[in-house]
Amino acid sequence: DAGVIQSPRHEVTEMGQEVTLRCKPISGHNSLFWYRQTMMRGLELLIYFNNNVPIDDSGMPEDRFSAKMPNASFSTLKIQPSEPRDSAVYFCASSFSGTGNYGYTFGSGTRLTVV
Amino acid sequence: DQQVKQNSPSLSVQEGRISILNCDYTNSMFDYFLWYKKYPAEGPTFLISISSIKDKNEDGRFTVFLNKSAKHLSLHIVPSQPGDSAVYFCAARGGADGLTFGKGTHLIIQP
Repeated sequence: DAGVIQSPRHEVTEMGQEVTLRCKPISGHNSLFWYRQTMMRGLELLIYFNNNVPIDDSGMPEDRFSAKMPNASFSTLKIQPSEPRDSAVYFCASSFSGTGNYGYTFGSGTRLTVV
Repeated sequence: DQQVKQNSPSLSVQEGRISILNCDYTNSMFDYFLWYKKYPAEGPTFLISISSIKDKNEDGRFTVFLNKSAKHLSLHIVPSQPGDSAVYFCAARGGADGLTFGKGTHLIIQP
């Protein structure tokens, strides 16, 4: 298995532009998580899905952020319009819930820079 | 309001000695705790975990201790090796699937 795959690895965009981050979870995993890492706040949970359904999006900072999971093998996190304070590393992670093992597998992250 | 706190942003330890990373939490509903390790330009990887019904879990050079009354857990690495240099995140689960992470501790192993 190739693990959790995120794209792009790096994204540099101008303020006001739309940004879309992509994630392919591990096949067979039924939970998917989007995290944001910054120096000030560490790893913050933005939203998570279980069986493609959004369960908790209370961590999504503003209406400018939206996430979708149209099927079990793909998810997107969209920021529209982007702002410099959105600059961070965004991680996607997946897991199989129900076995008692709560460990996640993380992707390599997308480093977003908004100028 | 941080529910999982790692108060040491960095820690330097000599190779071969013991590394002790600490983590405190405030939410008594947390029932499962995990440690993740992160190298630069990579995602965090799962290292070791412990259920709230236990006070110790060991896996090779890594041992996690949980003190529920103090709401404190620690990760011990012995002996420390150069490849252990990384950022270590403490995480906790309570109720729902989402994990709450601390800000991380950067462990540096000195030769």
